[in-house]
Amino acid sequence: DAKTTQPNSMESNEEEPVHLPCNHSTISGTDYIHWYRQLPSQGPEYVIHGLTSNVNNRMASLAIAEDRKSSTLILHRATLRDAAVYYCILRDRGAGNMLTFGGGTRLMVKP
Amino acid sequence: NAGVTQTPKFQVLKTGQSMTLQCAQDMNHEYMSWYRQDPGMGLRLIHYSVGAGITDQGEVPNGYNVSRSTTEDFPLRLLSAAPSQTSVYFCATKDRGPGEQFFGPGTRLTVL
Repeated sequence: DAKTTQPNSMESNEEEPVHLPCNHSTISGTDYIHWYRQLPSQGPEYVIHGLTSNVNNRMASLAIAEDRKSSTLILHRATLRDAAVYYCILRDRGAGNMLTFGGGTRLMVKP
Repeated sequence: NAGVTQTPKFQVLKTGQSMTLQCAQDMNHEYMSWYRQDPGMGLRLIHYSVGAGITDQGEVPNGYNVSRSTTEDFPLRLLSAAPSQTSVYFCATKDRGPGEQFFGPGTRLTVL
């Protein structure tokens, strides 16, 4: 299964942009890149996903490298509510398309 | 719509007891799955189902059984609880394709 590598933790100031990196050098040609986040004491929630092109939604932007071996989740203006663990995940096509979670990046937002 | 519901929210068991964690969804999604999350760790897939009557094992299936008799329900059974099964359990659903997976609020299980 293709794996992802993320920093264990990152810090940001409130109202500043945040760039969360993810490496996935063994990604296969049809693997989608998903990002989820988990707020304290809650289940994970979907943030964004993409295949090859950069993607934007109301929560974030996803920048995907041309060779698809890395991606970056961009939060344009961090708020205190964005403090969470962010998971970069490649869809596991062998397990019914279920998601395989790694350790994620714990984002801390300072006021 | 309630989305994904899980019961109970909390449960304490003694070693050797059995119990069933309930998961229900009202989104008519074909795919359902169970994950466990140990403290400070990411989620690990236990079992999953791609439709009624079809189940398969995930990464950590030992000690757990599932069945999928309806689209809406996907119960997880612990056959003989062990302290190593102390964890938070999340149920999730998704439709076909690469899109969003929806998670329930979780069940916090402690096995003494």
